[in-house]
Amino acid sequence: QKEVEQNSGPLSVPEGAIASLNCTYSDRGSQSFFWYRQYSGKSPELIMSIYSNGDKEDGRFTAQLNKASQYVSLLIRDSQPSDSATYLCAVKASNYQLIWGAGTKLIIKP
Amino acid sequence: DAGVIQSPRHEVTEMGQEVTLRCKPISGHNSLFWYRQTMMRGLELLIYFNNNVPIDDSGMPEDRFSAKMPNASFSTLKIQPSEPRDSAVYFCASTPTGVNTGELFFGEGSRLTVL
Repeated sequence: QKEVEQNSGPLSVPEGAIASLNCTYSDRGSQSFFWYRQYSGKSPELIMSIYSNGDKEDGRFTAQLNKASQYVSLLIRDSQPSDSATYLCAVKASNYQLIWGAGTKLIIKP
Repeated sequence: DAGVIQSPRHEVTEMGQEVTLRCKPISGHNSLFWYRQTMMRGLELLIYFNNNVPIDDSGMPEDRFSAKMPNASFSTLKIQPSEPRDSAVYFCASTPTGVNTGELFFGEGSRLTVL
């Protein structure tokens, strides 16, 4: 059974601090990794994708991948109240099948 | 550009009634996915179409669920008869051919309540 694990939270972070979200996966053969943001009552929105070991930065967001340890993380620098949402980790296990984590609820406190 | 368009946004129906959810993918996107989301089970893939052909329907819960994609710009998900346990948000998502199929564009969802 291929699994993606996330801490459900909520993770509470003060405004301006770094929010760190983590995700582990079970399928060692996974090649593609994604972070989606979902605001309450809205649909998931892709914010980061990462395909190779190391860091990938996009604005205030940094995705980190460590295939040896089978984890992927998302760092949000200078957290804003508008970053408050549920963050879903997704791992591509085959040509089309995405395995989804349950999501981590992030709360940024002003 | 218009995103993925779903209708209806909200549907309240009684147990035993037929429900039809509709989706218009982004123009030029050849892959279409139907997902269901609940608090208990998270996001579940129901069915995946590529070039209008169903590739994987193993996530369709039972025979009460059916999905069609008669052309590149339209898909339906039908539940007949509906049951209270079908209450969920149903998302349609699309992605263009050649792009990593993990990079999905979701519609706003159809919230279904079965009484």
